[in-house]
Amino acid sequence: AQSVAQPEDQVNVAEGNPLTVKCTYSVSGNPYLFWYVQYPNRGLQFLLKYITGDNLVKGSYGFEAEFNKSQTSFHLKKPSALVSDSALYFCAVRGPSYNTDKLIFGTGTRLQVFP
Amino acid sequence: NAGVTQTPKFRILKIGQSMTLQCAQDMNHNYMYWYRQDPGMGLKLIYYSVGAGITDKGEVPNGYNVSRSTTEDFPLRLELAAPSQTSVYFCASSYSLQAETQYFGPGTRLLVL
Repeated sequence: AQSVAQPEDQVNVAEGNPLTVKCTYSVSGNPYLFWYVQYPNRGLQFLLKYITGDNLVKGSYGFEAEFNKSQTSFHLKKPSALVSDSALYFCAVRGPSYNTDKLIFGTGTRLQVFP
Repeated sequence: NAGVTQTPKFRILKIGQSMTLQCAQDMNHNYMYWYRQDPGMGLKLIYYSVGAGITDKGEVPNGYNVSRSTTEDFPLRLELAAPSQTSVYFCASSYSLQAETQYFGPGTRLLVL
């Protein structure tokens, strides 16, 4: 069965510093991996995805994520954090086969960027 | 485009009452989904639909029903509300299934007392 884990409930970082939000996954075959962000009282918004190709994926708002097959990880990164990046971040995985058609979400990591 | 819209934004129900959460999308997406979000639990898939007239159960379907009579609408029905159904409900849609971005509505906050 496919699954995704976000080991940190909260990540705190000072504005201007680099940030990393961690995600590991378990899926048979090659995964489809996603990051979504949720601002307060809003629905989830797509940030980026990895399907195939370059392991470094660039997304919205200056975020990027690196797919590491050997470590089964897909960590979200940004070189310089902004206070406005403070939000709840969800990693999600979908298997590649027709029968694995559901997007499985992690439990979320709250990112707090301090001025 | 309005994207994915949900009504109501907030509702309080008494135990045993029923209600329908409305969801509509104007992007001509074939696939639609209902999730519930509980604190610290991420999102759990309740039901999904791959097209008009076709629905299937997700991870936590008990206590809910859905229908998909049109491409645009995907209502979620709670027949006998229970406190365990207190949650935030999100509707989402995507054009296809594999490797496609899902677009989420703003959510409906439901409190069952």
